Amino acid sequence: AQSVAQPEDQVNVAEGNPLTVKCTYSVSGNPYLFWYVQYPNRGLQFLLKYITGDNLVKGSYGFEAEFNKSQTSFHLKKPSALVSDSALYFCAVRWVEDSSYKLIFGSGTRLLVRP
Amino acid sequence: GAGVSQSPSNKVTEKGKDVELRCDPISGHTALYWYRQSLGQGLEFLIYFQGNSAPDKSGLPSDRFSAERTGGSVSTLTIQRTQQEDSAVYLCASSRGTGGYNEQFFGPGTRLTVL
Repeated sequence: AQSVAQPEDQVNVAEGNPLTVKCTYSVSGNPYLFWYVQYPNRGLQFLLKYITGDNLVKGSYGFEAEFNKSQTSFHLKKPSALVSDSALYFCAVRWVEDSSYKLIFGSGTRLLVRP
Repeated sequence: GAGVSQSPSNKVTEKGKDVELRCDPISGHTALYWYRQSLGQGLEFLIYFQGNSAPDKSGLPSDRFSAERTGGSVSTLTIQRTQQEDSAVYLCASSRGTGGYNEQFFGPGTRLTVL
């Protein structure tokens, strides 16, 4: 079955340290991969996406993600975390071969950046 | 221009009543999606509209749920005979065109509480 996994419910990091939020997807064709962030009582905001080409994609607010086909992963990273990065992060995938265009979301990872 | 808007932002209803949730997509976006986010869970796809094509209703959890999109713009999600398990945040999103690589832009959501 098509799926995407975020193995960590929560990630804790100190401000100024690098952060990684993990995402893996099931192998079922060619993926389009997305990261979204959700702040309290807000909708989801698009951060970045991988479509094709360079495996390292850069997005909003200094975030980046690396597509690794052999490991079927698309981990979100930031070199230096800010307290304001604390939020709920969702990885999502859509397969090129899927005509429905719906996104399959991971269960979300709560990022807590402590001062 | 304006982002995706949803109304109402909060809705409290009694079990057995019908509710209507409204979504106004970004102008020019031909694709529109409804998702449900239950407490502590990820996002669950409900329904997808693309232009004048027949909608993809594969995510609707029961026949109590229905949605329509008038004039290729505004959409209404209707839940009949609401149940307590329908309590969730209902998110609407829109995107450009038919390309699966287009990111979806989300509204702030409608928080539905069924008493």
